[in-house]
Amino acid sequence: NAGVTQTPKFRILKIGQSMTLQCTQDMNHNYMYWYRQDPGMGLKLIYYSVGAGITDKGEVPNGYNVSRSTTEDFPLRLELAAPSQTSVYFCASSYAGTANSPLHFGNGTRLTVT
Amino acid sequence: GDSVTQMEGPVTLSEEAFLTINCTYTATGYPSLFWYVQYPGEGLQLLLKATKADDKGSNKGFEATYRKETTSFHLEKGSVQVSDSAVYFCALSVTGNQFYFGTGTSLTVIP
Repeated sequence: NAGVTQTPKFRILKIGQSMTLQCTQDMNHNYMYWYRQDPGMGLKLIYYSVGAGITDKGEVPNGYNVSRSTTEDFPLRLELAAPSQTSVYFCASSYAGTANSPLHFGNGTRLTVT
Repeated sequence: GDSVTQMEGPVTLSEEAFLTINCTYTATGYPSLFWYVQYPGEGLQLLLKATKADDKGSNKGFEATYRKETTSFHLEKGSVQVSDSAVYFCALSVTGNQFYFGTGTSLTVIP
């Protein structure tokens, strides 16, 4: 019963490098989300998806891209890493995308950009 | 816009003490309210939820009541344990497409 799986757990990037944070879920959830967690700032929504082939911007999408080719996978792409993208990234999913359908989170990816 | 404000931490309590973590919200519609808990090195887990005014969510000895008149959803537990040490997040959602989180309150329980 894996739930939401994120890889890698940790990564250090140099400024200007690119990388993809992987997220997969095995619960057949239609809705998937990417959040970043900064100290003292709570969680901010980067992008979300309501189903395969459909994505939309959240509060802080600049510098990121996403795709949703399957129900299970929702990768997050950083094209030109900047120090401001140093954060902990969480992927989440939910069944119905309704306000009373809770989020299921992965364990996070800690990214440092230097 | 929609937002959540929660009590700043960190909070340190002795085992068996009473816990309250305050949470107030602003919402344009009729939100559902949630408390999530994050243990060290893990993602957030749903602790409890309430979907309409006057509902009480409860789980693992924690409780929170949805108070529309005071726009609050305070988290309480009568007797905390060392294993309750974690970061607690209040959150709301109106549409389900977006969830708004508070900044988190770190709780440490000492034996």
